[in-house]
Formats: sequence, structure tokens, C-alpha cells
Amino acid sequence: SQTIHQWPATLVQPVGSPLSLECTVEGTSNPNLYWYRQAAGRGLQLLFYSVGIGQISSEVPQNLSASRPQDRQFILSSKKLLLSDSGFYLCAWSAAVRRGVYFGEGSWLTVV
Amino acid sequence: TQLLEQSPQFLSIQEGENLTVYCNSSSVFSSLQWYRQEPGEGPVLLVTVVTGGEVKKLKRLTFQFGDARKDSSLHITAAQPGDTGLYLCAGADSSYKLIFGSGTRLLVRP
Repeated sequence: SQTIHQWPATLVQPVGSPLSLECTVEGTSNPNLYWYRQAAGRGLQLLFYSVGIGQISSEVPQNLSASRPQDRQFILSSKKLLLSDSGFYLCAWSAAVRRGVYFGEGSWLTVV
Repeated sequence: TQLLEQSPQFLSIQEGENLTVYCNSSSVFSSLQWYRQEPGEGPVLLVTVVTGGEVKKLKRLTFQFGDARKDSSLHITAAQPGDTGLYLCAGADSSYKLIFGSGTRLLVRP
């Protein structure tokens, strides 16, 4: 069966520091991969999606970036965090988006 | 820009009551999906509807996709405290993107 993991689960970072969140999927090949951000108790905002290695599509202008160095690895990064980057970050995968996506456990980021 | 609007945003009901959550858009989607999320966890897929007018049932939950594939509803019969959570609808278009609604927070009081 397929599994998805992301880490770290929680982190507190100072403004201006770098960020790296990592996500890996097991049990499937060539998945579509997604990064979402969620404000407290609200809907999910699509940040990036990838349909293959090295292929990244960005949905919103921001100081975040994403990379897919391997088929089942998706990384969310920032060179300098802003206070507004705080939130709950979720990685997800799908075989075909119209059939649904499957989420990781989420990563809480607090920028102080 | 595709938008999905959910209503109501918050719902507090007594155990045993029925409720309906709505998800509306001006865009046509190839599928409409419903997720349920617990605090501090990732959303979990409940159901996917792909055909206009389609109705799916999952125990006490009934999901319907509008005929024009622009809207959907979730109906819960005899709600239980275990149904408490954030319900999210999401629409898939012809690309690889999945766009989420703003969510409906449901509280079922014992």
C-alpha cells in the first residue's frame, strides 16, 4: 500500500532563517505531488504541484520554492522566512487528481 | 480563478440531528471530492463524485454532484459526536490541480 510521510512535524524558526520541509511517498511510482498551506481551521491553499522529476508548477507568488529531486521526494524551501509564512503545511500525492489526493501528517511552522 | 464556496462556515448541532453542507462554484469540475480533517492532521478523502447528478452514500453520509458539475452537497443523517471535524470540498479541473473550498467546521454536541 502507498504511504506518505513529511517532516519535521513541528518547527519554530526566526524571521530571515531558511526552511526545508521534506516529503516522501512509498508504494507508488510517478505520483503527482502537491504542497498546500492551511491557515488555522480554514481551507487549503495550493502552493506547488509536480507531475514529474524536476517539473514544478507554482500557484502563488511568494518567497517559497519547491523541488523534486527524485520521483517520490518533494521538498519545500525558503531562503528567508517571513512572519506570514507561518502555518500548517501539507504534502499530498495522487495517482490521478480526479480520483482524490492523499495527505501526509502535516508540518506546523511558526515563524517568530 | 476557480473558487469553491462552502456554506455554512460553521455548524453546531445536537446529536441525532440532520445537516447539509453545500459546495458551490461557477466553474465546471471533472470531479468533486469531500474530505474530513481532524485538528493537527491531514485531510482524509471521504468520496469522489465524477458524473453530473451522481449520488454516493457512505453509511450516514450522502454526497451529491450537481447536474452541471459545478456544485455538490454533503448530507449527514442522525449526526454523532464522532462526525465532528472540518469538512472540505475540493474540485479537480482538466489539469493536475485540486482546488479546495474554505471548509465547514461541524460540531456535534452529545
